[in-house]
Amino acid sequence: DTEVTQTPKHLVMGMTNKKSLKCEQHMGHRAMYWYKQKAKKPPELMFVYSYEKLSINESVPSRFSPECPNSSLLNLHLHALQPEDSALYLCASSQNPGYEQYFGPGTRLTVT
Amino acid sequence: GENVEQHPSTLSVQEGDSAVIKCTYSDSASNYFPWYKQELGKGPQLIIDIRSNVGEKKDQRIAVTLNKTAKHFSLHITETQPEDSAVYFCAAISGNTPLVFGKGTRLSVIA
Repeated sequence: DTEVTQTPKHLVMGMTNKKSLKCEQHMGHRAMYWYKQKAKKPPELMFVYSYEKLSINESVPSRFSPECPNSSLLNLHLHALQPEDSALYLCASSQNPGYEQYFGPGTRLTVT
Repeated sequence: GENVEQHPSTLSVQEGDSAVIKCTYSDSASNYFPWYKQELGKGPQLIIDIRSNVGEKKDQRIAVTLNKTAKHFSLHITETQPEDSAVYFCAAISGNTPLVFGKGTRLSVIA
């Protein structure tokens, strides 16, 4: 089983809202990732967690706040987003950094 | 850092024909090369991958070849079907560094 699940599937939020995206995997993977994908572009890395510790932050604005409560869960907390933050947000996991990554279906985020 | 170039950006083939997508990478230390297929509204799906100690890998109608000397790798899809229509991304990894993606190829299989 190589399944990564993400909730919600779609999210519409105003610029003053606070919301969270959730990601879960039960493959025993120790690396988890958040990507942002705009239309007709490849996924763009935002954060990497390795063994539940943040190992990479690709200079992401502080209005995006990641959290890894345990080895199976990854959250992305959103606050005061801008319309240009509208995108598909993808979660991925891998056995360890540098190994094959498996992606979830994504959350389609629209900021109004 | 690593840079991955992918060509072509769009590709149309007749059903039953073959499709080839090519990628080049810049970091000679890169050692893992996955290919992802992304259908509309879905997340990328890992379809095949190859490591630097192997020159070719095949899985049914899909194959990947790697030329380490020239620093390029290619995806080959034979007997294409309409359900192969999607965006395909190549990527490269060096050690524990994050995936570096190519810009993607939109493949259309015409029935």
